[in-house]
Amino acid sequence: GENVEQHPSTLSVQEGDSAVIKCTYSDSASNYFPWYKQELGKRPQLIIDIRSNVGEKKDQRIAVTLNKTAKHFSLHITETQPEDSAVYFCAASDPGGTSYGKLTFGQGTILTVHP
Amino acid sequence: DSGVTQTPKHLITATGQRVTLRCSPRSGDLSVYWYQQSLDQGLQFLIQYYNGEERAKGNILERFSAQQFPDLHSELNLSSLELGDSALYFCASSAEGSHDEQFFGPGTRLTVL
Repeated sequence: GENVEQHPSTLSVQEGDSAVIKCTYSDSASNYFPWYKQELGKRPQLIIDIRSNVGEKKDQRIAVTLNKTAKHFSLHITETQPEDSAVYFCAASDPGGTSYGKLTFGQGTILTVHP
Repeated sequence: DSGVTQTPKHLITATGQRVTLRCSPRSGDLSVYWYQQSLDQGLQFLIQYYNGEERAKGNILERFSAQQFPDLHSELNLSSLELGDSALYFCASSAEGSHDEQFFGPGTRLTVL
């Protein structure tokens, strides 16, 4: 089955700096890669996703890049703000295969943005 | 607010007991996924239902079962509870179940004493 590795496990930055979180996956059939933000005790919230037919996607201060050959994808947050502090999870899915869209998650990255 | 609702918000029970967690998907979504989140295991997929039928199974224990009803709400039943079952249980829904974004409910925090 799919295995997703996420690094780093913790990331501390100063307000205004950029933050990068990286994930690798094992199943070359995976073609959907969402990122979720989870604040303490709350639900994971989808913040951005990418499908394998594109290499990069941007939404304001957030961007995701995908390298299918190397089987890795990354989340980039620019101009970080204290409210970006949360746990970020990457995930991978093979929607067209027998997994029927079930998500395999990375272990999470605790991002702390210091004012 | 994702539009996915879950009840109850918190549940405290004893070992050996049985509980039922309930999930209502977003209006129009046919697919429901259940995930377990514990401190040491992260977010783990348990089971998926699509339009009333089981579609995919993950690391779900035999003591756990689920179903999706004709009105598309889903229930996750946990029996013979153990201390290690204490976790946050999330359900998520998506429109068709394969190629769509999944939106998570607020979760049920289960504490087994």
